Amino acid sequence: KAGVTQTPRYLIKTRGQQVTLSCSPISGHRSVSWYQQTPGQGLQFLFEYFSETQRNKGNFPGRFSGRQFSNSRSEMNVSTLELGDSALYLCASSDGRMVYNEQFFGPGTRLTVL
Amino acid sequence: AQSVSQHNHHVILSEAASLELGCNYSYGGTVNLFWYVQYPGQHLQLLLKYFSGDPLVKGIKGFEAEFIKSKFSFNLRKPSVQWSDTAEYFCAVNYQGGKLIFGQGTELSVKP
Repeated sequence: KAGVTQTPRYLIKTRGQQVTLSCSPISGHRSVSWYQQTPGQGLQFLFEYFSETQRNKGNFPGRFSGRQFSNSRSEMNVSTLELGDSALYLCASSDGRMVYNEQFFGPGTRLTVL
Repeated sequence: AQSVSQHNHHVILSEAASLELGCNYSYGGTVNLFWYVQYPGQHLQLLLKYFSGDPLVKGIKGFEAEFIKSKFSFNLRKPSVQWSDTAEYFCAVNYQGGKLIFGQGTELSVKP
């Protein structure tokens, strides 16, 4: 099976702009979770989508949003970018149908905000 | 609040030394526990997981971890490290659904 793919791998944006990141889960997986990784805060959970519905949400401002399509692909959007949004954004997919699910991570999208 | 704590931020070992990385979590209910590894330039990979049953779990590359419920701990061990084990190690707890809470990570440097 192909792994989790994320596009683009690198992005450079300026403050105030918005950005959309994409994640394609492993075939058959219905859950997609997003994480932000920074040197200072480590890995932080953003949100999870399952069957096109947001199932869990972390403690991030409303500028961070996401969605999931019927083929389980997911997008994450960040509006009004701030310098502090510079980070590696990771997507993880899992089956999603069990109470607890093993997550498989993609390579991430490196976002730099100037 | 749910939290995960890793005891060491940076560990430096010589090859063949034994490794133990500490991990404690805050929640007392049913949880699933994971150790992930991130090699330089690579994405997060699962080392091992605990869902239920035998509290001593074995993972890939000779790693093992012990779940001690009374201590809310899930420590990672390896009897003899290799230079190729140089990486960052993350303990993670799954409280619900697709939400993982990660520790701050431990950077392991193994000197040949």
